[in-house]
Amino acid sequence: EDKVVQSPLSLVVHEGDTVTLNCSYEVTNFRSLLWYKQEKKAPTFLFMLTSSGIEKKSGRLSSILDKKELFSILNITATQTGDSAIYLCAVLSGTYKYIFGTGTRLKVLA
Amino acid sequence: DAGITQSPRHKVTETGTPVTLRCHQTENHRYMYWYRQDPGHGLRLIHYSYGVKDTDKGEVSDGYSVSRSKTEDFLLTLESATSSQTSVYFCAISAEGYEQYFGPGTRLTVT
Repeated sequence: EDKVVQSPLSLVVHEGDTVTLNCSYEVTNFRSLLWYKQEKKAPTFLFMLTSSGIEKKSGRLSSILDKKELFSILNITATQTGDSAIYLCAVLSGTYKYIFGTGTRLKVLA
Repeated sequence: DAGITQSPRHKVTETGTPVTLRCHQTENHRYMYWYRQDPGHGLRLIHYSYGVKDTDKGEVSDGYSVSRSKTEDFLLTLESATSSQTSVYFCAISAEGYEQYFGPGTRLTVT
């Protein structure tokens, strides 16, 4: 059975800290791995990763994929209170099947 | 932002009544999805569509049906609403092999 597991389940940090969120997967017909941010509304797309070892970066957020070890990490540097959200990892299997993890809830304290 | 809307955005209904939620897209994407999101369960797929009149079940499809008569519209129907169907419902769209984009969500309460 396909599965995506995220860790930790929740995390509380202080502004300025750096955090690392983890996503491991066991999925047949892997095509890509995606990260989403969800505040009090719909998930918003952050990154899509298809190749191992190539970092994707957007501002203070970055992510990398390891297809050999079947995991990805999402790093957030110099965290701000606006980074407080649930971060979702998903794997695209084939052309249209997305398998989601249950998310990591991040809270950043001022 | 991807052109995807959901209606209604909030609904309160009574147990046993039928309910239809609508998802509308302006992106002309082939794939459309309905998810529900509940605390502790994350996003769970209810049904999806891979073209007009082409739909299939997801992991939590019992008690739900869908229809897609046009590329831009995907309807989710709760045939006889139950309290266990109280949830937030998200529609999503994708082009083949690309990221999903989510609608704003519908908060449904079944009393």
